[in-house]
Order: sequence, then C-alpha cells, then structure tokens
Amino acid sequence: DVKVTQSSRYLVKRTGEKVFLECVQDMDHENMFWYRQDPGLGLRLIYFSYDVKMKEKGDIPEGYSVSREKKERFSLILESASTNQTSMYLCASSLAGVRGTGELFFGEGSRLTVL
Amino acid sequence: AQKVTQAQTEISVVEKEDVTLDCVYETRDTTYYLFWYKQPPSGELVFLIRRNSFDEQNEISGRYSWNFQKSTSSFNFTITASQVVDSAVYFCALSEATGNQFYFGTGTSLTVIP
Repeated sequence: DVKVTQSSRYLVKRTGEKVFLECVQDMDHENMFWYRQDPGLGLRLIYFSYDVKMKEKGDIPEGYSVSREKKERFSLILESASTNQTSMYLCASSLAGVRGTGELFFGEGSRLTVL
Repeated sequence: AQKVTQAQTEISVVEKEDVTLDCVYETRDTTYYLFWYKQPPSGELVFLIRRNSFDEQNEISGRYSWNFQKSTSSFNFTITASQVVDSAVYFCALSEATGNQFYFGTGTSLTVIP
C-alpha cells in the first residue's frame, strides 16, 4: 500500500517556538506538498516541491519554510509559531505529470495548536 | 486563474436518499484534471476519482456517479441510496496538466442521518 506518514498527529506548542512537521512517503514520488486546512477555507497550499532541494511557494507561504533534502522526506518549518498558525496540516505526494494518475496521496494530518 | 467552487457548505440527508454534490471550476487550460476526494472523520483524504479534460464520459462506481460537463464547467458527484458511512467532507479539485499544482474547493460536509 502506498503510504504518506506524518510524524505527529497532534502537537501543542507555545507562541514563538520553532516547529517541525515531518512527512515521509514510500512511493518514490517526485512531488510533495504541504497544505493547511481550516474550516470554511478548504485546503490551501503552503509549499510544494517537485524534486530534491527544489521548492515552490504556494498560496500562503508567509511564516513557513520547507526543506527537502531527500526525495522521500518533506519538512515544514514554522520558525516562530503564532496563534494564527493553529490548524490542520496535511502532507501529500504525487508522481510528476502524466506519468502517474495525477492523484494526490495524503497523510493523516497533523493538528497543531499554538497557545 | 484556476478556481474550484463548491457552493454547498453543508448538506444533511436521511439515509437512503440520493444526494448530489456540486463542483464548478474555472481554468484557461485546455488540458486539466478534475478530482474528488473524501475526508472521513479520521482525517485522511481519500481519492475517489480522476477525470481528464478530454474525457466527458460520465462514470459510475457502485453507488457513486460523476457527471462532467465542460459546457457548464461542472463536475458533480452523486451518491445514490446514501449510507451513514458516506458522512464526510468531500473536496473537488482541479490540477493543471503538469500535475504539479492542485486547486481545491472549500469542501462540502455531508451528514447522512440514520
């Protein structure tokens, strides 16, 4: 079975803390994505990566950074967490372009609460 | 610019009723893909279907069916004889031809009442 694994299902952090959200996929996918999901707003893309060490900003990159040192791992970093970053974070991966079905495979999500 | 609109925020139906979830999209691309995903209470989004822009055939999979109409830029999803297990948030999504960018609607929360 294809698998996208997010390191933490639930996190509670304090304002100003540095937060790392880790995502690993075992499908040899080129593309990896970080989304944020909030009620009434759907899924909003934070960053995506289409190759190792490559990254592209999504719709809401402010306050976030990412790292992709290995193909299977895509990390989301909150340098200084703020309360408005309390949200559900979803990692996803896909094969690039027409070589795959194009579908996204999602992890179970990481619910972050910033106090 | 690409955009996906799911105008229905929440829908409640009684078990065994049919229900249609609407999805309207905007894109200037001639090649694109449309998707539906289901997010049950457990949280993980599950892929349901993918359609490319050149394939307007409707599709049926068990109690699920999808109606793709390019003329109205719609990709609607119908559940026949709904069941409690269908309760979830459903997202419609659009991707460009490269598959590197996905655009999601805001989701429709479906509650099936026993």
